[in-house]
Amino acid sequence: GDSVTQMEGPVTLSEEAFLTINCTYTATGYPSLFWYVQYPGEGLQLLLKATKADDKGSNKGFEATYRKETTSFHLEKGSVQVSDSAVYFCALNPGGSASKIIFGSGTRLSIRP
Amino acid sequence: EAQVTQNPRYLITVTGKKLTVTCSQNMNHEYMSWYRQDPGLGLRQIYYSMNVEVTDKGDVPEGYKVSRKEKRNFPLILESPSPNQTSLYFCASSLAGGNTGELFFGEGSRLTVL
Repeated sequence: GDSVTQMEGPVTLSEEAFLTINCTYTATGYPSLFWYVQYPGEGLQLLLKATKADDKGSNKGFEATYRKETTSFHLEKGSVQVSDSAVYFCALNPGGSASKIIFGSGTRLSIRP
Repeated sequence: EAQVTQNPRYLITVTGKKLTVTCSQNMNHEYMSWYRQDPGLGLRQIYYSMNVEVTDKGDVPEGYKVSRKEKRNFPLILESPSPNQTSLYFCASSLAGGNTGELFFGEGSRLTVL
C-alpha cells in the first residue's frame, strides 16, 4: 500500500546551517505531496505542497521538489533559524479525497542559537 | 478567522469515565477527521466524516465513537477510556473534493487516562 518514510530525528543544527530532511514515498498512482510543520504546543499546519512531478513547493525559505524518478520529496532550507525548531511531517495524498492522506512519522528539528 | 477549535485542550481522567472531545470548524468544510499522535508513530487516523451523517473508520477506531449531526461539529467520544488511549488528539478539516488534500488542524487535545 501507499506509504511515507522520513528520516528519524531528532535533528539538531546550529543557526544558519543548511537543512535537509529526507522523505521518500511509495504510491501506485500520482499522489500530491506535502510538508506539514508542527510548532511546540500547536496543531499541524501546511508548509508547502507539490501536486505533480518536478513541481517545487516553497514557503518561508523552505523548498521541496517532487522527484518521481527517485520517489522523493526532500525538505531543504539554506539557512535555518531558531524559530524553525519544530516537528516536520511529510505526507502524501494518493488522490480523490482528503481521507486518504498518509503521514510520515515526523522529524523533530532543534536549532541552536 | 478561519479555524478549527478543539475542547478541552488538556484533560486528565480515570479509566471508564466517559468523555467527549469537541471539534468545531468555521470554514464550511465537508470533510472532518480525528487523529491521534503518539511518539514514534506519527499521526494515525481514528475516524473521518465526508459530510453530515456520513462517518467512517480510520486506521485505529477501536474504543472511539464519532457523530456528525451538523456540518461544523465533529465530536470524538470515548465511552470507556483506557490508559492506552492516553495520547495527543487532533481534529482536522478540509474541502472534500479535489486531490490537493490540504488539511486544517486544531491545536490538539492532550488526554491522560489514569
